[in-house]
Amino acid sequence: EIVMTQSPATLSVSPGERATLSCRASQSVTSNLAWYHQKPGQAPRLLIYGASTRATGVPARFSGSGSGTEFTLTISSLQSEDFAVYYCQQYNNWSSYSFGQGTKLEIK
Amino acid sequence: QVQLVESGGGVVQPGRSLRLSCAASGFTFSSYAMHWVRQAPGKGLEWVAVISYDGTIKHYVDSVKGRFTISRDTPKNTLFLQMNSLRAEDTAVYYCAISSGWYSPFNYWGQGTLVTVSS
Repeated sequence: EIVMTQSPATLSVSPGERATLSCRASQSVTSNLAWYHQKPGQAPRLLIYGASTRATGVPARFSGSGSGTEFTLTISSLQSEDFAVYYCQQYNNWSSYSFGQGTKLEIK
Repeated sequence: QVQLVESGGGVVQPGRSLRLSCAASGFTFSSYAMHWVRQAPGKGLEWVAVISYDGTIKHYVDSVKGRFTISRDTPKNTLFLQMNSLRAEDTAVYYCAISSGWYSPFNYWGQGTLVTVSS
């Protein structure tokens, strides 16, 4: 089983500032890494796949980077609607997909 | 547009069974792998099971192997999760989601259905 570890657990950032979220895999997942965000009471929404490709309709302020075991999601200028919980997910091991435990992005 | 609508959740006693459904529309159901993902109250996401586009390949998280069965009815565009021998730790919102293949992210999600296992 591939274990995904996200850091930090909570990130406090002011609107308009940059946020950087990290995700580490216990073994290489190549570039088969996705990022989702989830707002309270809603289903998760796909933001980034292939480690760095934005999903349809995702604003350009969201960017992903990394490969292998280390990944980063950067939000360049936080908007009010960006405050949510963010999850990374590996889909390289298709008999056992796994998510990170999440990073809560909150308003400072 | 893609729509995934889960149903079948509710309150059930430990050891009993429940079957969840996910009605799909807006895409070619027979071309997509389908997943169940759950989220315990106040917790993160946990992938539960996947079924291939043609229903021939299935995989499960270890904690539900032998208790849960994923299946699909292609003519009815519906995904199922049969849950037997339910435990308190199975309490969660259960989401269905689609992916275009094995090495693909989960493009769309339903809104979820709540399963509560309690005596």
